Amino acid sequence: NAGVTQTPKFQVLKTGQSMTLQCAQDMNHEYMSWYRQDPGMGLRLIHYSVGAGITDQGEVPNGYNVSRSTTEDFPLRLLSAAPSQTSVYFCASSYRTVSSYNEQFFGPGTRLTVL
Amino acid sequence: AQSVTQLDSHVSVSEGTPVLLRCNYSSSYSPSLFWYVQHPNKGLQLLLKYTSAATLVKGINGFEAEFKKSETSFHLTKPSAHMSDAAEYFCVVSDIWECGGGADGLTFGKGTHLIIQP
Repeated sequence: NAGVTQTPKFQVLKTGQSMTLQCAQDMNHEYMSWYRQDPGMGLRLIHYSVGAGITDQGEVPNGYNVSRSTTEDFPLRLLSAAPSQTSVYFCASSYRTVSSYNEQFFGPGTRLTVL
Repeated sequence: AQSVTQLDSHVSVSEGTPVLLRCNYSSSYSPSLFWYVQHPNKGLQLLLKYTSAATLVKGINGFEAEFKKSETSFHLTKPSAHMSDAAEYFCVVSDIWECGGGADGLTFGKGTHLIIQP
């Protein structure tokens, strides 16, 4: 299994540009999520999905869109990049049941700089 | 609302000496607790987890943590530090029934940077 994969690893954008961060998992996990990591802030949830066709907002959703057309893929779209979106982005997935919570598997991250 | 506090933003120890990374949590229910490690420029990797079984949890690379409900703590320890342990460590509390965490029920601590002196 490849686990959780993310592309690209690095990206530099200019303010106002748009782009899509790709995330895929091959573990047949129902739950997928996107986090951003900023120094001293830990990880903050951007968007999440509990299954194909179902997405919802996390703690910091503004400026980002997601979709979940398949179980495997969960892309994150930046509509109009801003310097405040400079961060490291992590995708994660897990097998989640109603009565318990299982560990999340994280991708290697995408380091995004917005100029 | 659930929360997690990592009491030290940086911890520095000498190679071969014990490691203690402190984590306190609050939760109204019976949480699951995790420690993740992040090496430089890498993703997060699960070290260990507590899910209401044994209170002393053993993880990978010689790490262990003890769940103490009376103290609402879940401190991470290792008897002897190795240079390869230098990384960022995150304590995470999870309760899918709790309000106040992230929408997925997870709340991350802000991290503890572990430095190993030769």
